[in-house]
Amino acid sequence: EAGVVQSPRYKIIEKKQPVAFWCNPISGHNTLYWYLQNLGQGPELLIRYENEEAVDDSQLPKDRFSAERLKGVDSTLKIQPAELGDSAVYLCASSPGTGITGELFFGEGSRLTVL
Amino acid sequence: AQKVTQAQTEISVVEKEDVTLDCVYETRDTTYYLFWYKQPPSGELVFLIRRNSFDEQNEISGRYSWNFQKSTSSFNFTITASQVVDPAVYFCALSDAYTGGFKTIFGAGTRLFVKA
Repeated sequence: EAGVVQSPRYKIIEKKQPVAFWCNPISGHNTLYWYLQNLGQGPELLIRYENEEAVDDSQLPKDRFSAERLKGVDSTLKIQPAELGDSAVYLCASSPGTGITGELFFGEGSRLTVL
Repeated sequence: AQKVTQAQTEISVVEKEDVTLDCVYETRDTTYYLFWYKQPPSGELVFLIRRNSFDEQNEISGRYSWNFQKSTSSFNFTITASQVVDPAVYFCALSDAYTGGFKTIFGAGTRLFVKA
């Protein structure tokens, strides 16, 4: 079974440029998450989708960040314009259910460097 | 409010020694789940163990064991006979319900070094 796939693995851009990250969850997983991981910190939730609906985007900085999950499968996270402080690893995760019981399956992450 | 605290930033052990990683959590819910994840240098967090709030029985799974104590809100994780495959950052996580659904939050992680 294929795991969570993310791309690109690494991205270097200059500040004020746009950037997009793509995530393909494990087949059949209804719930998809985007997490932000700063250096030396644990992952912090940005947005959670149940199928195509964003059920929790309270931590997503909506002035510059946007996300979509069309058709309830893969998802894209966009930053426009990027700022120096956005340098971090962006992790995508999925889980088969919508409850609190299950573990999350993570991709390898997309490491963003903003110069 | 939810909170997960991993007081140990880094731990270094000699190969074949046992090591315990500490985790303290806060939640207002009576129903919640606790997890440990491992993040090797490749970056992908990998699920290790899960425990629900109604089951304080401590278990052993291979070289992993955990000690869940609700009275002290702790969920400590032990690796027995550490090996060279164990170096990674280990995260404790809490999942509980809140208005609007549920949320999984992570501690800051403990980086484990294993010396040969």
